Amino acid sequence: DMKVTQMPRYLIKRMGENVLLECGQDMSHETMYWYRQDPGLGLQLIYISYDVDSNSEGDIPKGYRVSRKKREHFSLILDSAKTNQTSVYFCASSPPGQKNTLYFGAGTRLSVL
Amino acid sequence: GDSVTQTEGPVTVSESESLIINCTYSATSIAYPNLFWYVRYPGEGLQLLLKVITAGQKGSSRGFEATYNKETTSFHLQKASVQESDSAVYYCALGDRCLGYKLTFGTGTSLLVDP
Repeated sequence: DMKVTQMPRYLIKRMGENVLLECGQDMSHETMYWYRQDPGLGLQLIYISYDVDSNSEGDIPKGYRVSRKKREHFSLILDSAKTNQTSVYFCASSPPGQKNTLYFGAGTRLSVL
Repeated sequence: GDSVTQTEGPVTVSESESLIINCTYSATSIAYPNLFWYVRYPGEGLQLLLKVITAGQKGSSRGFEATYNKETTSFHLQKASVQESDSAVYYCALGDRCLGYKLTFGTGTSLLVDP
């Protein structure tokens, strides 16, 4: 079963705390993504990973970093979270040769208080 | 920059009625736009509903259709008769055939189908 799994689904943190969002996929896709979506906006690309340790900034990378040590896992890290990072975060992956066909996780709703 | 504008939701339609969700795009930096509709059912991640990579062509899936109109820069989603199971959030997206990878999404349109 092709699946992208995000953990946790809901998270509440205080400003200044560190946040780790985890994403896994069971399709051996090389390319993975992190997006965020805020009310009234489309999904915005934070980072792309083309494979293990091959990561590239997206449109809004400031305040985030990523880690990809295994092809199946892609983590998003917020060092010292800010209130404006309250959002819904989506992880996705895409198969080789189908760059724009993304498989998404169900999202993590993060609240930074 | 590139952008996608779609019908602002929520949209409520009665079962068996027809549906249109408008989508227009601006592809200022993309030479060969590809167009997509993604759908997000409750509790699930977004999934590809249909895509069209050639202007003038129509894509279809699960009873939904969308035609890539380069002249009007539109990619409206239509269905002749909706079902309650179509209740979801629909996202129009713009991609670049050459550069790939990056998609520009619309804000999403929430559809509620009344039984």
